[in-house]
Amino acid sequence: QSVLTQPPSVSAAPGQKVTISCSGSSSNIGSKYVSWYQHFPGTAPKLLIYDNDKRPSGIPDRFSASKSGTSATLGITGLQTGDEADYYCGTWDSTLSGYVFGTGTKVSV
Amino acid sequence: QVQLVQSGSEVKKPGASVKVSCKASTDAFTTSGFGWVRQAPGQGLEWVGYISAYNGYTNYAQSLRGRVFMTTDTSTNTAYMELRSLRSDDTAVYYCATWFGTGYYRDWGQGTLLTVSS
Repeated sequence: QSVLTQPPSVSAAPGQKVTISCSGSSSNIGSKYVSWYQHFPGTAPKLLIYDNDKRPSGIPDRFSASKSGTSATLGITGLQTGDEADYYCGTWDSTLSGYVFGTGTKVSV
Repeated sequence: QVQLVQSGSEVKKPGASVKVSCKASTDAFTTSGFGWVRQAPGQGLEWVGYISAYNGYTNYAQSLRGRVFMTTDTSTNTAYMELRSLRSDDTAVYYCATWFGTGYYRDWGQGTLLTVSS
């Protein structure tokens, strides 16, 4: 059971927007940077967001993220069928002294 | 960007050990280190552990401490993850990734399927 909680699934029509929440605590999100990963089953995960809201080169600005208190949010605008994947938040947890991933959210378009 | 190429699939019996390799295309030791993440069938991503590129410091997931060991070979730009006393619930795809100090994994290997079965 992860210490970071995400909704199991979200869905929207092509072109619409979805948001994915990631709820944690003061020992993780509340005091550490959050990153987000896109994962197509059977392939390597891909870094979408790091340091709460920064996009690596090559990640379109349709993907954005923010953090407030002990929660973080990933937003995807202009949804495309190619965005159908699992999305995970991740951060360091000082109580566990280890990295933790969220429970994962499946996006359906 | 760094390309990470992992060793191939493994099938092991319970109680055995496995060592998975992760070779970087360049001097990946400009990153903070390497992390290992696994995904069991039908499950989410699970952090396995981390090894520093600077001094070999390791930090392992509490659930795996005592069974997992990570090393690096700077001469070949290769990271290794050894898992001992294998159990059926160790069956998973194992990924290596480059770790950056503020707390994220940027480059990922293609994954190595480990199957533990009698």
